[in-house]
Amino acid sequence: DAGVIQSPRHEVTEMGQEVTLRCKPISGHNSLFWYRQTMMRGLELLIYFNNNVPIDDSGMPEDRFSAKMPNASFSTLKIQPSEPRDSAVYFCASRTGGPGELFFGEGSRLTVL
Amino acid sequence: DQQVKQNSPSLSVQEGRISILNCDYTNSMFDYFLWYKKYPAEGPTFLISISSIKDKNEDGRFTVFLNKSAKHLSLHIVPSQPGDSAVYFCAARDNTDKLIFGTGTRLQVFP
Repeated sequence: DAGVIQSPRHEVTEMGQEVTLRCKPISGHNSLFWYRQTMMRGLELLIYFNNNVPIDDSGMPEDRFSAKMPNASFSTLKIQPSEPRDSAVYFCASRTGGPGELFFGEGSRLTVL
Repeated sequence: DQQVKQNSPSLSVQEGRISILNCDYTNSMFDYFLWYKKYPAEGPTFLISISSIKDKNEDGRFTVFLNKSAKHLSLHIVPSQPGDSAVYFCAARDNTDKLIFGTGTRLQVFP
């Protein structure tokens, strides 16, 4: 079975550019999470969706960040405009309903120059 | 304000010995705790979990202990193996079903 698929794996961009990260969750999973990993804060939850509906976006740093889930098999995280402090690894994860474990993708490493 | 804290950023243990990774939390409403393991350039993978109604859960070489009164949990790995070298994240589930992660502890197991 395919796991959570993220793209791109690596992104290098210049400050001010728009960045779009993509995620395909595991088929049948109805919850999707976006996390950001930094040295200082570890794995920081940005937003999560349940049945394609955003449930909690309190972790989104500021208005420059937005996330969508137009259907059960696709989600995007967009940063516009990007800044050097956004440089991090962004992970997407999915799970079935309930307290089950999260399944993570391999991450998208973003570098903003 | 970190609700889940891993105060040791790194730990070095000799192969065959016990590794003990610690985690503290502040929210008494957390009802489920998990440990994840992460290798470089990969996503975290689930290792072991424990419900708040239990104080111990064991799976092979891995045991998680929960002390609710102290708001503390720990992961024991016995015996430690070089392949266990990775970053370990502690996570807790809150009453909105979110998983809150700690900052991670890098474990190095040397021969």
